Amino acid sequence: QKEVEQDPGPLSVPEGAIVSLNCTYSNSAFQYFMWYRQYSRKGPELLMYTYSSGNKEDGRFTAQVDKSSKYISLFIRDSQPSDSATYLCAMSATGRRALTFGSGTRLQVQP
Amino acid sequence: GAVVSQHPSWVICKSGTSVKIECRSLDFQATTMFWYRQFPKQSLMLMATSNEGSKATYEQGVEKDKFLINHASLTLSTLTVTSAHPEDSSFYICSAPSGYSYNEQFFGPGTRLTVL
Repeated sequence: QKEVEQDPGPLSVPEGAIVSLNCTYSNSAFQYFMWYRQYSRKGPELLMYTYSSGNKEDGRFTAQVDKSSKYISLFIRDSQPSDSATYLCAMSATGRRALTFGSGTRLQVQP
Repeated sequence: GAVVSQHPSWVICKSGTSVKIECRSLDFQATTMFWYRQFPKQSLMLMATSNEGSKATYEQGVEKDKFLINHASLTLSTLTVTSAHPEDSSFYICSAPSGYSYNEQFFGPGTRLTVL
């Protein structure tokens, strides 16, 4: 079993829809949770960074972490065609600086 | 956010040659950088941790003699793929912590290596 599970998609939604992206994990030591956006043939771009459980909002993006369920989510409101990309969740444990990534979900927002 | 650059962005080489990839933190210092590889439609796999002034730490299964890492300064880490073979063709990406938190990392744009 992988440490981090993420549905690869593709996920296709119409422009303006609310998008929900999710990851589950098995390592209870993970404390730091991140979402990255990666366009084709580019490096990942950090979108959201959260510590422990709770919600964090930044513009159209909301990240949620539920450590009791080992489940994290990224919500995108009013999705735009420019949001079409692969979204990667990543996490790390205290004392370990390297990140463990999910496999990524490919999102397509149709105009 | 912090900016990380990579050079070259794309390289094609013949089998048996060596290729050097540079990773630079442009507006901050990084005592640690990370090297990942990514195959098409797959996630990032950590290869090694580059430490300024000391040896790199390699993940299990990564050949340290094949993937040479040198962290020459607080803003530069290099990955040299020695005696490259077609199976080494991949997307190589580096990252560096921002300095505020080791867990908040910024990635370079990646280097696409094709070995013929």
